Amino acid sequence: SAVISQKPSRDICQRGTSLTIQCQVDSQVTMMFWYRQQPGQSLTLIATANQGSEATYESGFVIDKFPISRPNLTFSTLTVSNMSPEDSSIYLCSVINLSYNEQFFGPGTRLTVL
Amino acid sequence: AQKVTQAQTEISVVEKEDVTLDCVYETRDTTYYLFWYKQPPSGELVFLIRRNSFDEQNEISGRYSWNFQKSTSSFNFTITASQVVDSAVYFCALSEDAGTYKYIFGTGTRLKVLA
Repeated sequence: SAVISQKPSRDICQRGTSLTIQCQVDSQVTMMFWYRQQPGQSLTLIATANQGSEATYESGFVIDKFPISRPNLTFSTLTVSNMSPEDSSIYLCSVINLSYNEQFFGPGTRLTVL
Repeated sequence: AQKVTQAQTEISVVEKEDVTLDCVYETRDTTYYLFWYKQPPSGELVFLIRRNSFDEQNEISGRYSWNFQKSTSSFNFTITASQVVDSAVYFCALSEDAGTYKYIFGTGTRLKVLA
């Protein structure tokens, strides 16, 4: 499985500000995913990040709020814009082994918005 | 539409007891994949198993075993002789469309193993 790192691991932010989360993989991957896990809840897919094309967002998530970059096959960023306390969550990136349809997750970024 | 149901919100067992975590899924596809992940208190999601819809054989890995039954749309997970380190939230997930590789996660079951 790939080794995935995320920065920052946690942050506390003020309402109205933005935070960019980085996801780095130790090997080239075609597809990367960003998930949100609200406190005590399950994981919800935000978007699929593909290199060389715009991210594909799930229902309820928009690019203005969660812009995503995918400059190469080992790196992606997710920005949480104009944050409110409702954005307090763990944000996780994942990559997929296409041969087996197995996703592996990064350690997550724990975000608290005051 | 696809859906994953984990009806057990929280389970507490005493160390060395066996415990089964239930997972029921809904899908209209004939080809799909089922997964189990473990999320310990540290927050990282750990991949445990993948099962495709054409393979109904049960699997055993050490103290872990999985029972896949298409007839009841269930993919249950049993931990034998539970240990304190098994305490975590366990998620079942379904991937229906191989083209998009999207996962639908259940709501998770929090397992507490008491010493």
